[in-house]
Amino acid sequence: NAGVTQTPKFRILKIGQSMTLQCAQDMNHNYMYWYRQDPGMGLKLIYYSVGAGITDKGEVPNGYNVSRSTTEDFPLRLELAAPSQTSVYFCASSYPNSYEQYFGPGTRLTVT
Amino acid sequence: DAKTTQPPSMDCAEGRAANLPCNHSTISGNEYVYWYRQIHSQGPQYIIHGLKNNETNEMASLIITEDRKSSTLILPHATLRDTAVYYCIVNSGAGSYQLTFGKGTKLSVIP
Repeated sequence: NAGVTQTPKFRILKIGQSMTLQCAQDMNHNYMYWYRQDPGMGLKLIYYSVGAGITDKGEVPNGYNVSRSTTEDFPLRLELAAPSQTSVYFCASSYPNSYEQYFGPGTRLTVT
Repeated sequence: DAKTTQPPSMDCAEGRAANLPCNHSTISGNEYVYWYRQIHSQGPQYIIHGLKNNETNEMASLIITEDRKSSTLILPHATLRDTAVYYCIVNSGAGSYQLTFGKGTKLSVIP
């Protein structure tokens, strides 16, 4: 199993551009999550999904959108990128009612 | 979810036990204690969790005080690969979607 994969690994965006961060998992996990981690800080939850077609906001959803059309994929969309969105983005997944979330390797995004 | 307090950094000699403390004095009865770690530039990795009993797995042991207001993660024989930031998280359990990561403890294992 590849586990949780994320693409791209690195990206530089100009202010106002848009992009989609891709996340996929091959563990048949129902639950998926997007976090962001600013330098020297802990992770903050952006959005999560408990299954295909179901998404909900986390702690810091502003400026982002998600969709979940399949169990495997959970893309994160940035519209009108801003410097405040410079961060490392982690995708994670888990079984329902599991204590353990599996994290991907992260996407490092810089907005200038 | 209850707030946690951890020391910002600790050192441990290679081969010795690393004892990482966490204070969670406002924990409520249905909240679990989770530990994750993050090795530099990687995604976090689950280590262990517990409610009130001590727990042990292949990675670590978790000791929770009887009043549940604090806990200690023990890595019995620290190696250089255990150098990481360790996060103590209190959460109301499985199916509670948000893991709130604080700043954690930066553990440095010294040769």
